[in-house]
Amino acid sequence: GQQVMQIPQYQHVQEGEDFTTYCNSSTTLSNIQWYKQRPGGHPVFLIQLVKSGEVKKQKRLTFQFGEAKKNSSLHITATQTTDVGTYFCAGPGSGYSTLTFGKGTMLLVSP
Amino acid sequence: DSGVTQTPKHLITATGQRVTLRCSPRSGDLSVYWYQQSLDQGLQFLIQYYNGEERAKGNILERFSAQQFPDLHSELNLSSLELGDSALYFCASSVGFRDTQYFGPGTRLTVL
Repeated sequence: GQQVMQIPQYQHVQEGEDFTTYCNSSTTLSNIQWYKQRPGGHPVFLIQLVKSGEVKKQKRLTFQFGEAKKNSSLHITATQTTDVGTYFCAGPGSGYSTLTFGKGTMLLVSP
Repeated sequence: DSGVTQTPKHLITATGQRVTLRCSPRSGDLSVYWYQQSLDQGLQFLIQYYNGEERAKGNILERFSAQQFPDLHSELNLSSLELGDSALYFCASSVGFRDTQYFGPGTRLTVL
């Protein structure tokens, strides 16, 4: 089935620094979703991108979908300790309505 | 709170045993998905049900099975448990196909 690769696996930043995680696929994605999982918690849906070159913002978070619809990024400006968690991208899976998750990027923010 | 409930929260059992994990989807959601999350494999899709019928299968072992009942709750049955089955098992639900998935709090299974 389809695979999405996510980098980096882990990033540790100081509060106030920016953070970016990247998601790449070898095939064109019809859409991509982003989820956040806090430590000890469950994945929570953040956003879905559908259009080529789409950019969406949620406060300090900026999500981009590549022109070729094969990659996506999540950028956090001026991280806060509340941003700590693992960020997953997910693309369509082999089934019509399933998702394939990347392995996630774990973000640690030091005060 | 996503509105998806899962029981039990924790489960400790021995190798060779069989367990059942339960999930109640959000009100109005017809699709239920099961995922396994382990440290080395990440979040792996296992199986999906829609309105009582199996819709998609992922990396689900033959020792595992699931069903969705008329009231739309779902159960994941894990049998002949092995140490490697220790993981977090999440259930998620959505209204239909390709809609946003809402995850439950998960069941942490420990096989000793």
